[in-house]
Amino acid sequence: GQSLEQPSEVTAVEGAIVQINCTYQTSGFYGLSWYQQHDGGAPTFLSYNALDGLEETGRFSSFLSRSDSYGYLLLQELQMKDSASYFCAVRDRGGNTPLVFGKGTRLSVIA
Amino acid sequence: GAVVSQHPSRVICKSGTSVKIECRSLDFQATTMFWYRQFPKKSLMLMATSNEGSKATYEQGVEKDKFLINHASLTLSTLTVTSAHPEDSSFYICSASRGLAGGVGEQFFGPGTRLTVL
Repeated sequence: GQSLEQPSEVTAVEGAIVQINCTYQTSGFYGLSWYQQHDGGAPTFLSYNALDGLEETGRFSSFLSRSDSYGYLLLQELQMKDSASYFCAVRDRGGNTPLVFGKGTRLSVIA
Repeated sequence: GAVVSQHPSRVICKSGTSVKIECRSLDFQATTMFWYRQFPKKSLMLMATSNEGSKATYEQGVEKDKFLINHASLTLSTLTVTSAHPEDSSFYICSASRGLAGGVGEQFFGPGTRLTVL
């Protein structure tokens, strides 16, 4: 079976940097994605890593190490609106296949 | 990005009734759509994969006779919760993928449907 582990909660100060880690165990691997979800809303896509290394998109960056089955989401210059749940997700098969989600990390940004 | 809509956004029903939730891909054709379920402060759990023109594939533990899925066209999939009970109250979210050409790894999620069964 598949499993993804990420911290359940993280608290950080406005303006700071926070890193949310994700380790995974899957039968196959076709990339690691990150999604943001505000309370009552749908998940929104943040980033995708298929190859090792760092992908940067504005204040958000995502990293992947396939040999370590590990990735992280890095959020810089935290804003209050970044308070949300963040999910890592993997696709363990190629083609039009569903994502398997981690349990989510609830990020609270405080003043 | 691509747009996926869901209707209704919120529904309250009595126990024993059936509820139909629609998921539409508005600006692309989706041969495959996925239905997820999310309980408060929990993760998204895949319920089934909906394939246009064929039977849905259900995840283990999901009752196919209770959660009826119909993917009648390339832009519409419906989930019907039959004989709903209070334990079916949840947030139901659909997603669609355009496939490899549309960007591997990115699924487009609908806004979700909050179902409350009294």
